[in-house]
Amino acid sequence: ELKVEQNPLFLSMQEGKNYTIYCNYSTTSDRLYWYRQDPGKSLESLFVLLSNGAVKQEGRLMASLDTKARLSTLHITAAVHDLSATYFCAARNYGGSQGNLIFGKGTKLSVKP
Amino acid sequence: EAQVTQNPRYLITVTGKKLTVTCSQNMNHEYMSWYRQDPGLGLRQIYYSMNVEVTDKGDVPEGYKVSRKEKRNFPLILESPSPNQTSLYFCASSLGPPAGTTSNQPQHFGDGTRLSIL
Repeated sequence: ELKVEQNPLFLSMQEGKNYTIYCNYSTTSDRLYWYRQDPGKSLESLFVLLSNGAVKQEGRLMASLDTKARLSTLHITAAVHDLSATYFCAARNYGGSQGNLIFGKGTKLSVKP
Repeated sequence: EAQVTQNPRYLITVTGKKLTVTCSQNMNHEYMSWYRQDPGLGLRQIYYSMNVEVTDKGDVPEGYKVSRKEKRNFPLILESPSPNQTSLYFCASSLGPPAGTTSNQPQHFGDGTRLSIL
């Protein structure tokens, strides 16, 4: 059974600093997704990573995937307050249904001035 | 405007009283899913649907039913709600499979329905 673990679960950082959120998954998965959820709001798709070594960037966020290590990272560069949100990663069980996603518990990011 | 609309947004009800949460999308998406979000547990998939009349269980289907009679609608039914179903529920839709390979077809989520079962 695929399990997806994120760490840290809570992250408080200062504006301008860099940090990385880690997403480990327990069994083979061939794709990894990152989502953002603002407080009291719905989820927004950020990145889809489809192969080993995939890297995607948008603004101050960069996501990467290492399928051999079963690890995805979400790197935050020079954080700003607007990035405060909860970030979820999700993976699909390799060989499982394409409809079924397993989510991590989320990382609540708070960026302070 | 592309939307996934859930109703109601908030509901407080009692154990055993059947309820339905509606979900409608206006993007002609084939795939739709229901998730529940609980503190410390993240999102867990309840059911998903690949097209009209085609549904499958997610990770936590017990106590829930779904139907997909029309492409745009995917209601979630709690026949006999219990307190452990108190949660925040999200409906989502996508043109391709949620865990598929098409990167430009992400899931669109509704605004959520907060259910409290007393």
